[in-house]
Amino acid sequence: DAKTTQPPSMDCAEGRAANLPCNHSTISGNEYVYWYRQIHSQGPQYIIHGLKNNETNEMASLIITEDRKSSTLILPHATLRDTAVYYCIVRGYSGGGADGLTFGKGTHLIIQP
Amino acid sequence: ETGVTQSPTHLIKTRGQQVTLRCSSQSGHNTVSWYQQALGQGPQFIFQYYREEENGRGNFPPRFSGLQFPNYSSELNVNALELDDSALYLCASSLQPDTEAFFGQGTRLTVV
Repeated sequence: DAKTTQPPSMDCAEGRAANLPCNHSTISGNEYVYWYRQIHSQGPQYIIHGLKNNETNEMASLIITEDRKSSTLILPHATLRDTAVYYCIVRGYSGGGADGLTFGKGTHLIIQP
Repeated sequence: ETGVTQSPTHLIKTRGQQVTLRCSSQSGHNTVSWYQQALGQGPQFIFQYYREEENGRGNFPPRFSGLQFPNYSSELNVNALELDDSALYLCASSLQPDTEAFFGQGTRLTVV
């Protein structure tokens, strides 16, 4: 699976949109971009995933650039409960799920009141 | 619909002992994966079970083993515990091996 690069930490004001970037310049054509987050001492929580089109669900939006080398997770109206470590993961399907998810260090997003 | 549940939530074991951790998958999910998360690190993939068979394995020694049962629940067994095995152990279930995984709250294992 391709490697991802994320900033180690970010701040965002409560009520504003939080935009979390991720670089994945070596992504290949059959690899998806997944986002998970982990609130302190809890299990990771699935947020969203996409291949090449932008995706939106009740939690967030995922914007993937046309060349697919980077993406941005957008939390439209951040709340204090969104403070967490956010992981961007690139995952291929050639091996099924047999390689598991490769978590890096993620971005520690801190929502400021 | 119940989510992924793990037991116990906390456990303390002595070096050299053996431990069994349990996971109940989300309803309708036939795939279970296990991860180890050391303090300050991201989760590391241990292995995955699909329809009662090991379907993939990360870089963990053979003393880490598992089982999946006909109801798709799963166990993680660790023999000859070492101090470095102290970690949060996470279980995740998914509909299929290559679909999004949903995690439990984890078991915090401390080896002394």
